[in-house]
Amino acid sequence: QKEVEQNSGPLSVPEGAIASLNCTYSDRGSQSFFWYRQYSGKSPELIMSIYSNGDKEDGRFTAQLNKASQYVSLLIRDSQPSDSATYLCAVGPNFGNEKLTFGTGTRLTIIP
Amino acid sequence: DARVTQTPRDKVTEMGQEVTMRCQPILGHNTVFWYRQTMMQGLELLAYFRNRAPLDDSGMPKDRFSAEMPDATLATLKIQPSEPRDSAVYFCASGLVWAGSRPSGANVLTFGAGSRLTVL
Repeated sequence: QKEVEQNSGPLSVPEGAIASLNCTYSDRGSQSFFWYRQYSGKSPELIMSIYSNGDKEDGRFTAQLNKASQYVSLLIRDSQPSDSATYLCAVGPNFGNEKLTFGTGTRLTIIP
Repeated sequence: DARVTQTPRDKVTEMGQEVTMRCQPILGHNTVFWYRQTMMQGLELLAYFRNRAPLDDSGMPKDRFSAEMPDATLATLKIQPSEPRDSAVYFCASGLVWAGSRPSGANVLTFGAGSRLTVL
C-alpha cells in the first residue's frame, strides 16, 4: 500500500462546477498536509496547506482534513479551464516541509 | 520573483554515461531537496540537505547516485553509471524549513523547472 493514495483520474468537471479531489494517507502521525498543482511539463506549485482538522478556505480553494479518517481533500469552486492540471497531495511528518511524501496525483480536466 | 534554477533542462545520454544535474537554490533558503518524478512512482524524495549538511539520502540508490552541496548556491546530483530506469524528471526544491512545533506559513517549498533525463 502506498503511503499517500490518490485517484489518478482523469477527473472531468464542467466549468463552473465544484471539483473534489481526495487523498488518503497511511501514517497516522502525519502533521502537515499540502496540495500542489502541476501543469503539464511544469513543476509543482503549492496552492494549499492544512495542519489541523476541519476546513481551510483560500479563494476558490478549500482544503479539508480529517486526521481520524486519515483523509484530506481539496475542493475547487467555480472551476475554470485554467484549473486543468494534475493535483498532488503531499503529507509530512512534522510541521515543516521535511520528507514530504507525495501521492501520484489526480489529473483534473475542466470542460468548457 | 526568486526562483530555483536547474540545469540542464533536458539531457539525453547513453547507458553507462555519467550524468550531473545542478541546482541553484533560492538565496536564504536553508534546505535543498532532490526529487525524482516518474509516471508510475510519482514524486519520490531522493535526498535533502539542511544548511549544506546531508540529512537524508535513503531514497537514493547508493551504488550509482550521489548528492552534494559544495556551497550554499549549488547542489549537485550525479548518476554514474546511468541506466535506462533512471529516465525521469529530476526536481530540485528549496525552502526555509523549520521543523518546529508550530506550523508556519514560511514553510513553502519552491521547485525548480526540473531536469528531464532520458537514458537510452
